[in-house]
Amino acid sequence: QKEVEQNSGPLSVPEGAIASLNCTYSDRGSQSFFWYRQYSGKSPELIMFIYSNGDKEDGRFTAQLNKASQYVSLLIRDSQPSDSATYLCAVRGGPGDMRFGAGTRLTVKP
Amino acid sequence: NAGVMQNPRHLVRRRGQEARLRCSPMKGHSHVYWYRQLPEEGLKFMVYLQKENIIDESGMPKERFSAEFPKEGPSILRIQQVVRGDSAAYFCASSPPPAINYGYTFGSGTRLTVV
Repeated sequence: QKEVEQNSGPLSVPEGAIASLNCTYSDRGSQSFFWYRQYSGKSPELIMFIYSNGDKEDGRFTAQLNKASQYVSLLIRDSQPSDSATYLCAVRGGPGDMRFGAGTRLTVKP
Repeated sequence: NAGVMQNPRHLVRRRGQEARLRCSPMKGHSHVYWYRQLPEEGLKFMVYLQKENIIDESGMPKERFSAEFPKEGPSILRIQQVVRGDSAAYFCASSPPPAINYGYTFGSGTRLTVV
């Protein structure tokens, strides 16, 4: 069974702080990794993807991947109340094979 | 450029009735994926389809659930003889032929309530 694990949270950070979200996966053959943001009652929205070891930055978001440790993370710098949402980690092993973690709920307090 | 269109947004069915959920992929996308999300849980893969083909249905319950993506028209997820445990949000996503680093675009979902 291919598993994607996330801390369910809730994770609470003050406005302006760095929020760190973590994800581990069990399938060593996984090839690409995605972070989705989901507001309550809404659909998931893709915010980042990464497929090479190291860091990938996009604005306030940085995705980090360590395939040896089977670990992927998302850092949100200068967190804003509008970042309050559930963040879903997704792992793809092959075409059509995208599996999601249960999500981490983030609250950014003004 | 319309995104992934799902309808209805909300669907209420009595136990034993049939539920039909529709999904029209984004223009240019030929691959459709259905996921189910229970409250406070992540997305669970159900089925992956191309036009007129089921590619992977490993996440579909063996009974009462079926999916199709005909040559013309939307993809349909069909649930027969619904039970209360089928109450969930059902999301459809689409993509072009899946390159490994290409993410999915999700529709707004259908929230099914079985009473």
